Amino acid sequence: GAGVSQSPSNKVTEKGKDVELRCDPISGHTALYWYRQSLGQGLEFLIYFQGNSAPDKSGLPSDRFSAERTGGSVSTLTIQRTQQEDSAVYLCASSTEVQYSGNTIYFGEGSWLTVV
Amino acid sequence: GESVGLHLPTLSVQEGDNSIINCAYSNSASDYFIWYKQESGKGPQFIIDIRSNMDKRQGQRVTVLLNKTVKHLSLQIAATQPGDSAVYFCAENSNYQLIWGAGTKLIIKP
Repeated sequence: GAGVSQSPSNKVTEKGKDVELRCDPISGHTALYWYRQSLGQGLEFLIYFQGNSAPDKSGLPSDRFSAERTGGSVSTLTIQRTQQEDSAVYLCASSTEVQYSGNTIYFGEGSWLTVV
Repeated sequence: GESVGLHLPTLSVQEGDNSIINCAYSNSASDYFIWYKQESGKGPQFIIDIRSNMDKRQGQRVTVLLNKTVKHLSLQIAATQPGDSAVYFCAENSNYQLIWGAGTKLIIKP
């Protein structure tokens, strides 16, 4: 597609349920990032992918969070046993390469997650 | 630790005036500094970046200034328009990730 696509755009889930968020990056972008943004706050880095590999998962808040990427394209972020503090906007971004050197990082519109 | 922060959470300016949004950073090793604009309900949008070996860079109606002596970054928007209303984030590049500030909300008064 022309831009980074995320789905669902909005998700309301009950506490304790699992959710899966999807990101479809710009075609050809090898770098993919997941961020979390709470209301009125800045972006919190979660994880990045270089191709299908995630070299550093230390940004994930807990072991309830996991992410994978297949075929060097689509990525899914899974949150198990959701808690109310997981409520936030989950933003996905992609870029031509991981190391920033003037290459623009493009963001999707985000998946708004509300845990009730 | 590394951090990027903003001095003012909200900035109100008259339409047509110039806006200046400030940012402080702490990692001297960062090689790029980037400004993003985020409109309500949307993802951040790239505005302009500046390499650490520069002190000024101009774009269309925007100028970014970098003062490495005091670790300060600013974004100047000329002739502010209603469409400039958004939250502005500065970010610094540290290896494979961007470290983000909390954001400044820019409000345009008619």
